[in-house]
Amino acid sequence: AQSVAQPEDQVNVAEGNPLTVKCTYSVSGNPYLFWYVQYPNRGLQFLLKYITGDNLVKGSYGFEAEFNKSQTSFHLKKPSALVSDSALYFCAVTLTDSWGKFQFGAGTQVVVTP
Amino acid sequence: DAGVIQSPRHEVTEMGQEVTLRCKPISGHDYLFWYRQTMMRGLELLIYFNNNVPIDDSGMPEDRFSAKMPNASFSTLKIQPSEPRDSAVYFCASSLEGLAGWYNEQFFGPGTRLTVL
Repeated sequence: AQSVAQPEDQVNVAEGNPLTVKCTYSVSGNPYLFWYVQYPNRGLQFLLKYITGDNLVKGSYGFEAEFNKSQTSFHLKKPSALVSDSALYFCAVTLTDSWGKFQFGAGTQVVVTP
Repeated sequence: DAGVIQSPRHEVTEMGQEVTLRCKPISGHDYLFWYRQTMMRGLELLIYFNNNVPIDDSGMPEDRFSAKMPNASFSTLKIQPSEPRDSAVYFCASSLEGLAGWYNEQFFGPGTRLTVL
């Protein structure tokens, strides 16, 4: 079985400060990891993914994430947060040998204050 | 490209009625996913298709739920009969399998907000 944990329901950060959204996973195999963002009353939008290769992945809107196999983590980061980054963020995992069977985390609400 | 299209955007129905949600994936995409989002349970994968064939429907909550994909450009999710606990936002998403095991991200539709009274 596979699972994803986002330990923080909400992250509060001041504009201009670094933003980190945590994600840990548990799988029995090689994971594919994704981050998505959801704005109110909208569908999810893709930010970035880890499939293979370099553990540091760069994505849209200045976001990046680091795949850490030993800690089974895939934390999302942004060096300088913007008010417009306020949204709901989801981490998701699927396996290389069962592509499509996605498991999403519960989501982390990010609030960036001016 | 218009993206993933879902209809209706909002649906209000009474308990016991049949509900049909519709999805048009992005042209050329070979995977289609149905999700349900609620405050209590978060985002749940209900079923997904590859080349119009259902691959895994283990997330479908009950026999009241059924999904079909008669062709590459259309899918439906049907609930019959509907119950108040089915109230949720239902998302459709599509993706394209890449070459040599490289897998691509999902593109989500805007969702259908279902309210069952």
